[in-house]
Amino acid sequence: DIQMTQSPPSLSASLGDKVTITCQASQNINKYIAWYQQKPGKAPRLLIRYTSTLESGTPSRFSGSGSGRDYSFSISNVESEDIASYYCLQYDNLPYTFGAGTKLELK
Amino acid sequence: EVQLVESGGGLVKPGSSLKLSCVASGFTFSSYGMHWIRQAPKKGLEWIALIYYDSSNKYYADSVKGRFTISRDNSKNTLYLEMNSLRSEDTAMYYCAKLSPTSGYFDYWGQGVMVTVSS
Repeated sequence: DIQMTQSPPSLSASLGDKVTITCQASQNINKYIAWYQQKPGKAPRLLIRYTSTLESGTPSRFSGSGSGRDYSFSISNVESEDIASYYCLQYDNLPYTFGAGTKLELK
Repeated sequence: EVQLVESGGGLVKPGSSLKLSCVASGFTFSSYGMHWIRQAPKKGLEWIALIYYDSSNKYYADSVKGRFTISRDNSKNTLYLEMNSLRSEDTAMYYCAKLSPTSGYFDYWGQGVMVTVSS
């Protein structure tokens, strides 16, 4: 199984900050990584697919990059509505695997 | 608008069985693969099963293989997860999710249904 090492586990940011979350796969995942946002008590919402493609409705302050084993997800100009947990997902190989998540909080 | 509505959760004892349902609307259900994903309380997400659009292929996480069965009824726009020999570690929110049209990720999720396994 492919392991996804996501960091940091938590992040504290001020409104307007830029934050970055990373995911490292245990092997090359050929850019097949998606990023999800989950707010408390809600289902995850797809933000980015195939490393950097923004899903319809995802604000442009969200971005993704990477290749091979190393990927990153960023939010520029953090807004209050961005306070949530974020998860990466590799879908290159079954079983699909998620990172452990990053909880974004306001400083 | 895509909607996925899960049901069938509840409190059950270890060793018992439960069957979850997920009713889909807003898209051509019979054309898309479907997944089940779960999330233990205060924990991360775990993919557990995938079924192709025509039920021709089914895949499971090792943690549920041999105990859980994914199935679908395209005439009823409904996805199922039959869970047997339930354990305390199966306690989680269970989500159904739609396979994207382009690749393996999940583009829409249901709101989830809670399964609690406890004596």
